[in-house]
Amino acid sequence: DAEITQSPRHKITETGRQVTLACHQTWNHNNMFWYRQDLGHGLRLIHYSYGVQDTNKGEVSDGYSVSRSNTEDLPLTLESAASSQTSVYFCASSEQGAWVSEINEQFFGPGTRLTVL
Amino acid sequence: SQKIEQNSEALNIQEGKTATLTCNYTNYSPAYLQWYRQDPGRGPVFLLLIRENEKEKRKERLKVTFDTTLKQSLFHITASQPADSATYLCALGAGNQFYFGTGTSLTVIP
Repeated sequence: DAEITQSPRHKITETGRQVTLACHQTWNHNNMFWYRQDLGHGLRLIHYSYGVQDTNKGEVSDGYSVSRSNTEDLPLTLESAASSQTSVYFCASSEQGAWVSEINEQFFGPGTRLTVL
Repeated sequence: SQKIEQNSEALNIQEGKTATLTCNYTNYSPAYLQWYRQDPGRGPVFLLLIRENEKEKRKERLKVTFDTTLKQSLFHITASQPADSATYLCALGAGNQFYFGTGTSLTVIP
């Protein structure tokens, strides 16, 4: 069965370190997304991609970067981790909608809980 | 600023009743709106999508309405069951961005 996986599921790191969270999907979806979820804020879009070599900034992109070298993977990198980036991170994927920016049903991964000390 | 508001308080209802959850938005003109269910410790799961030219969408015991004049979507679960207890999120697409509300926690009491 097709799926979307995230690794690691839990990560503790120190302020200033570079951290990369992995996301891998076997749905063959063009669209992939990274969100963070915090109490009181809900899910907020960090970065998204409509296909290979395409990346776009979301609502809260500062301090994060992504790259899309193939259809299956969209790793999220925190260049220099900060305590404000302690959160639960979700990756999602979806088929392309009727137009490029239309987002169809999103399939979410299980999440990565990141703690920055 | 852009804002999506859902019932801020947790919603408790008796089994068998209809649960109605509200999603209000300001400063958007969304082309479509989605509803998701999220259980503790898990990622959201898609339930329904409704477009701006659709007034109502149904799927089994679920019904969603979308009123672009009121800037509101209502999400109904009829004949609710304890297994429906979860957090429900609304989300809307506007331009190239996608925004989620903070969610409403629903508890169905047996």
